[in-house]
Amino acid sequence: AQSVTQLGSHVSVSEGALVLLRCNYSSSVPPYLFWYVQYPNQGLQLLLKYTSAATLVKGINGFEAEFKKSETSFHLTKPSAHMSDAAEYFCAVLYGGSQGNLIFGKGTKLSVKP
Amino acid sequence: NAGVTQTPKFQVLKTGQSMTLQCAQDMNHEYMSWYRQDPGMGLRLIHYSVGAGITDQGEVPNGYNVSRSTTEDFPLRLLSAAPSQTSVYFCASSKLLPGPLGVTGELFFGEGSRLTVL
Repeated sequence: AQSVTQLGSHVSVSEGALVLLRCNYSSSVPPYLFWYVQYPNQGLQLLLKYTSAATLVKGINGFEAEFKKSETSFHLTKPSAHMSDAAEYFCAVLYGGSQGNLIFGKGTKLSVKP
Repeated sequence: NAGVTQTPKFQVLKTGQSMTLQCAQDMNHEYMSWYRQDPGMGLRLIHYSVGAGITDQGEVPNGYNVSRSTTEDFPLRLLSAAPSQTSVYFCASSKLLPGPLGVTGELFFGEGSRLTVL
């Protein structure tokens, strides 16, 4: 079965430090890939998406992600963390033939220390 | 600009009771879906719909029913609540595009409904 794996359920960084959230997918064909963010007590919102146009994708709030087919990865990064980045981040994958249904990873909760 | 609206935001039920979680969207999206979110489990798809009159099961459909009589509304019914259904439920919607893939993957989520079953 197709799946997406997020390494690390919790990540803690200091304000101003690099943010790196890891996501790997299992697929024999290139999928569409997404990162969503969930702030406390809110629904998810789209951060960025990869649809094969470019391997480096820029999203909102300074986040970006790079699609690496050889590593089946789509890691999310931000050069300098801000306190407002504290949230839970979900990687998701969409495959052709999946009837349009996203498969979500289990999430990574990001904490930002002052 | 309401987007996706879910009601109620909070609900406490006793085992065996039934209830309906309401979801409405005002973006004229063809695709609508229900997820449940549990700690450490991510989001799991319960049911989805690609248009009025069309529904299908997701990963965890047991104990839930849905219907889609209009484009705007997609209610989720719990038939006989069980403690295992204690969760946060999210409704999401998306446009459909021409072609084999259809859904864009760009989901718009409601703010969630927190359900506790005692």
